[in-house]
Amino acid sequence: AQTVTQSQPEMSVQEAETVTLSCTYDTSENNYYLFWYKQPPSRQMILVIRQEAYKQQNATENRFSVNFQKAAKSFSLKISDSQLGDTAMYFCAFMKHGAFGANSKLTFGKGITLSVRP
Amino acid sequence: KAGVTQTPRYLIKTRGQQVTLSCSPISGHRSVSWYQQTPGQGLQFLFEYFSETQRNKGNFPGRFSGRQFSNSRSEMNVSTLELGDSALYLCASSLQAGGADTQYFGPGTRLTVL
Repeated sequence: AQTVTQSQPEMSVQEAETVTLSCTYDTSENNYYLFWYKQPPSRQMILVIRQEAYKQQNATENRFSVNFQKAAKSFSLKISDSQLGDTAMYFCAFMKHGAFGANSKLTFGKGITLSVRP
Repeated sequence: KAGVTQTPRYLIKTRGQQVTLSCSPISGHRSVSWYQQTPGQGLQFLFEYFSETQRNKGNFPGRFSGRQFSNSRSEMNVSTLELGDSALYLCASSLQAGGADTQYFGPGTRLTVL
């Protein structure tokens, strides 16, 4: 079974600064996907960024980038130029790679509450 | 394109009752997954449906069940409600299954059991 660990329950950052959210996972799988999801207060969960394990290059999406260390089973999210709208709960998630029609179960970490201060 | 919709958004029930929650995936999406979110346990996988077949089931008692219709809409049912079933129930849809496609989440149904 896979496990995802987010050891920091809360973080705070000043607007316009950079913050890094940590995530580690445990799996015996070689092919898998990793995700960061964002859940703003009382709002819908949305995908921030995804990483395929077979890709060595770290994924980036505008101000969001990851540091994927496969051997260390570490997957951290860096948010640059933090904005007030980044205030949310952030979840790290894991999914086994599967062939067409295979299951799509996401295993989530406990989440981290990020507050961006004006 | 409309996003994932879930109905109802809020629900209050009493112990012992039964409840049915509905999820309409994004048009064209065939995979629907359900998750339970609580402050104590976080996000836990309930089950996944693809082409009307349950592909995977999480570690929940048999009181939790679901189904998927030919138009990919999905329902989950919880019978004999317990206080511990109070949670936000999220559904997510994706084009296919197997992780190649992003899962898009609905706004959730907030269930309160009194």
